[in-house]
Amino acid sequence: NAGVTQTPKFQVLKTGQSMTLQCAQDMNHEYMSWYRQDPGMGLRLIHYSVGAGITDQGEVPNGYNVSRSTTEDFPLRLLSAAPSQTSVYFCASSTRTGGHYGYTFGSGTRLTVV
Amino acid sequence: KQEVTQIPAALSVPEGENLVLNCSFTDSAIYNLQWFRQDPGKGLTSLLLIQSSQREQTSGRLNASLDKSSGRSTLYIAASQPGDSATYLCASELGNFNKFYFGSGTKLNVKP
Repeated sequence: NAGVTQTPKFQVLKTGQSMTLQCAQDMNHEYMSWYRQDPGMGLRLIHYSVGAGITDQGEVPNGYNVSRSTTEDFPLRLLSAAPSQTSVYFCASSTRTGGHYGYTFGSGTRLTVV
Repeated sequence: KQEVTQIPAALSVPEGENLVLNCSFTDSAIYNLQWFRQDPGKGLTSLLLIQSSQREQTSGRLNASLDKSSGRSTLYIAASQPGDSATYLCASELGNFNKFYFGSGTKLNVKP
């Protein structure tokens, strides 16, 4: 099925560990982004990309790295996990090609840092 | 920095009622305004997108309006149903870079 695939769905990390959250889309969307959602809050932008090889910071980038070597993939790396990074992470992709707008969110990765 | 506020935070209504969800934003230089639905433990589903040059969009029982000058958007749900129970998120997109600023959502419960 076409869409945005996030893996893993659940993850528990110990403080100080590193890991990569995977995000892949098969719709040839040019834009991709990562958000985190904390209880009682809306989603906050971590990093975004406007195309392969181009990334930029969002509202809350500290402690996270991204890269976009292909149109399809946009992994999010946690460098040294902290309890404050316990959250639900969403990856999104979008397109505005030829006046057509399409926005798709993944189903999320629930991360707990202990 | 764009601030997006949604009122009310939670709403419980009997089935069949018409209801209005409110969204306000501080920066009127938005690219578009979008309403999403989020079911528990799920991702977001786009409901309606209003481009900055538009005033409203309609899809079935849903109607969203946008007033950039006052920094407000409303989502109108007609004849609510229990299946409408979810959290509704408003998001403004600034510039042309897929950068959304989200409100904290309105949790809707429609009672049978």
